[in-house]
Amino acid sequence: NAGVTQTPKFQVLKTGQSMTLQCAQDMNHNSMYWYRQDPGMGLRLIYYSASEGTTDKGEVPNGYNVSRLNKREFSLRLESAAPSQTSVYFCASSERTGISPLHFGNGTRLTVT
Amino acid sequence: DQQVKQNSPSLSVQEGRISILNCDYTNSMFDYFLWYKKYPAEGPTFLISISSIKDKNEDGRFTVFLNKSAKHLSLHIVPSQPGDSAVYFCAPSTGNQFYFGTGTSLTVIP
Repeated sequence: NAGVTQTPKFQVLKTGQSMTLQCAQDMNHNSMYWYRQDPGMGLRLIYYSASEGTTDKGEVPNGYNVSRLNKREFSLRLESAAPSQTSVYFCASSERTGISPLHFGNGTRLTVT
Repeated sequence: DQQVKQNSPSLSVQEGRISILNCDYTNSMFDYFLWYKKYPAEGPTFLISISSIKDKNEDGRFTVFLNKSAKHLSLHIVPSQPGDSAVYFCAPSTGNQFYFGTGTSLTVIP
């Protein structure tokens, strides 16, 4: 049972490049999330999807777009990467939004130069 | 403006003793409180939770206490073990979002 799988594990981008972070869960969870973790800042919510077909902004959505492709998959896209987006990105899923524990992937470490 | 604060960035404890990790919050609408544990190069893993209608929840060596009037949450680990060395995050929620604290790095010394 893989849980939450994120790809890639590491990525280096130049300013202005675009990329998509992929996330898939095999727990049949309804809700999925994207967080970023920066030193001294804890984890901050970028976007979430309460159920298939819906997406909502979190605390720090600027510069990102998301797609809930189906119940299993939730992708995060950076259209024009900036150095301020250098961070570790975590995808998570839960049975229901806000009242069930989150299950996290192992993260994607992104560096934008 | 951070709604969740973990004011101790780090904590060292001898093996076998009690570890106490603290978390303060400002939003009185938080109604579900979780603790996560994170090892380097891994995602956070869920540890224990408490609902706002309770003031204590135990799970083996881990106990979480909630003081709603003080807006304070604590995690007690007894006895502490070297494998408990990790970063611990508190994460209250309201509605549909969890808000994470900045974390406390716990080191358990053998």
